[in-house]
Amino acid sequence: DQQVKQNSPSLSVQEGRISILNCDYTNSMFDYFLWYKKYPAEGPTFLISISSIKDKNEDGRFTVFLNKSAKHLSLHIVPSQPGDSAVYFCAASAKSGGSNYKLTFGKGTLLTVNP
Amino acid sequence: NAGVMQNPRHLVRRRGQEARLRCSPMKGHSHVYWYRQLPEEGLKFMVYLQKENIIDESGMPKERFSAEFPKEGPSILRIQQVVRGDSAAYFCASSPPSGTAYEQYFGPGTRLTVT
Repeated sequence: DQQVKQNSPSLSVQEGRISILNCDYTNSMFDYFLWYKKYPAEGPTFLISISSIKDKNEDGRFTVFLNKSAKHLSLHIVPSQPGDSAVYFCAASAKSGGSNYKLTFGKGTLLTVNP
Repeated sequence: NAGVMQNPRHLVRRRGQEARLRCSPMKGHSHVYWYRQLPEEGLKFMVYLQKENIIDESGMPKERFSAEFPKEGPSILRIQQVVRGDSAAYFCASSPPSGTAYEQYFGPGTRLTVT
């Protein structure tokens, strides 16, 4: 039972354009959402997060949007750069024992940014 | 400031042998998390440990798997009598005492291959 779904295994965009990565979730108890970036042979690196009390969070070229009613979030990267080429994981957590520590990951989307 | 360290990076074991995976958290971090990534899957939570305590092992298989985080030394994930299905990438993450999801820093992973 996959609680966090990334339905696009891959995405290819041109340098300078916008990349939009999507993520859907089913567990209504999730109240914190994160995006991680992963290069081959490395561990995931935290990119950006959003609490369920917000619908948007922005950090430089990265913006995460949350639509709670649709149980959907997206990551926008603009402008996209070749160095952004990596696998992007969507993750979610629910409070447990007063803390959001247990991450549930999607399967990832491979983003390729072409020069 | 060294990041999370995992060793070995690659481990090959024959069926029935034992595998020991080590994780040294970032300096100042007292919380350790283990995740497993099977081929073509996202990372799945296994266990959350603090020094000398297992806080949440809800993601650990009931048999053959154990984890510890002693007062001194690295955290150890131990897999006894490995089977081919244990072949995966095992990632360790650490966080400061607050234990918040976005503060988890991941190591580069150990790739276990069972032949």
